[in-house]
Amino acid sequence: NAGVTQTPKFRILKIGQSMTLQCTQDMNHNYMYWYRQDPGMGLKLIYYSVGAGITDKGEVPNGYNVSRSTTEDFPLRLELAAPSQTSVYFCASSSSRDRAEDTQYFGPGTRLTVL
Amino acid sequence: RKEVEQDPGPFNVPEGATVAFNCTYSNSASQSFFWYRQDCRKEPKLLMSVYSSGNEDGRFTAQLNRASQYISLLIRDSKLSDSATYLCVVNANTGFQKLVFGTGTRLLVSP
Repeated sequence: NAGVTQTPKFRILKIGQSMTLQCTQDMNHNYMYWYRQDPGMGLKLIYYSVGAGITDKGEVPNGYNVSRSTTEDFPLRLELAAPSQTSVYFCASSSSRDRAEDTQYFGPGTRLTVL
Repeated sequence: RKEVEQDPGPFNVPEGATVAFNCTYSNSASQSFFWYRQDCRKEPKLLMSVYSSGNEDGRFTAQLNRASQYISLLIRDSKLSDSATYLCVVNANTGFQKLVFGTGTRLLVSP
């Protein structure tokens, strides 16, 4: 049982390039999330999904897009990379049970640098 | 005012010491509370949930004061392996699990 996996682990992009951060979970969780964590800051929610085909914006969605075609996968797309998107990106998932106290499980993160 | 506020530290303590972290939250409608642990350059992992009655897990004790909107974490008999950043996390209770993360308190346990 791998939990939440993310690829790549590291990436350097040039300004204006695009890329997709991959996230997969094997726990059959309905809820999935993308966060970014800047140095000295708390995690900020970018996008979330409550099930296949359903996504919605979080706190900091500008410059990103997501899709959720399957329960397992929740890729995050950066279309025109900007230096402000330099950050560590975490994907997370939580149980299909709709309870507020359910734990979120995090992937190992992707460290992105935009130069 | 930040939704979740924590003292960033670092807290430098010797092995065996007792250390306490505090956290305040601004949304009085919050329903669920957690402490997550984050090691350097790693993902956050759930340490423990925090209940109104208080709860204990080995050397770790968490307390919640709803009236003061205050959460605490007590670590007894600190180990070197406890060195990490401790994140106070609150569920904003917006109909799904929207967690709001504090910036974390860094703990350094020395021999």
